Amino acid sequence: GIQVEQSPPDLILQEGANSTLRCNFSDSVNNLQWFHQNPWGQLINLFYIPSGTKQNGRLSATTVATERYSLLYISSSQTTDSGVYFCAVDHTDKLIFGTGTRLQVFP
Amino acid sequence: DAGVIQSPRHEVTEMGQEVTLRCKPISGHDYLFWYRQTMMRGLELLIYFNNNVPIDDSGMPEDRFSAKMPNASFSTLKIQPSEPRDSAVYFCASSFWQSSYNEQFFGPGTRLTVL
Repeated sequence: GIQVEQSPPDLILQEGANSTLRCNFSDSVNNLQWFHQNPWGQLINLFYIPSGTKQNGRLSATTVATERYSLLYISSSQTTDSGVYFCAVDHTDKLIFGTGTRLQVFP
Repeated sequence: DAGVIQSPRHEVTEMGQEVTLRCKPISGHDYLFWYRQTMMRGLELLIYFNNNVPIDDSGMPEDRFSAKMPNASFSTLKIQPSEPRDSAVYFCASSFWQSSYNEQFFGPGTRLTVL
């Protein structure tokens, strides 16, 4: 089956720093989503991005489907950005999740 | 819209008891998904429905698990009998493919503890 790998697995930042999270996938996909799982466990939709670039405030994402990767950029990080970031790809109509990047932002 | 609604939010039960988890998808969505999240296995798809019909239940761990969707606004996931290894967070998600292909929106989850 398709493999979805995220890096880095863990990231520790000081408030105000920028970061880039990466998602690699091993086969062609129909779409790709980025989620933030907050410390309360809720999965929050960040981006639906099968290709191209999108921006939402301090967050932006880029997917290069032909090269099978996606990047999530977080600028000027805040403590509320802490949690786990998942990418999930649609392969044969199922969302396959990566193992996540755990982000901790300290004041 | 209220988003995907799940109940209960927390459930603690004893081994051998029946557990029923409930989900109300976003109004108008035609796909509904049940997932399980554990530390060991991450997020796993258990089953999904299209227009109330089960499409793929290959992720259901065993016969103790069953899911139904009697109408477009309600689904249940039942575990009978429950076992301690079923302890996990169970998520329900829904999507509307004519809007954006398989863009899924998740409920808050049900944290299940089986003693």
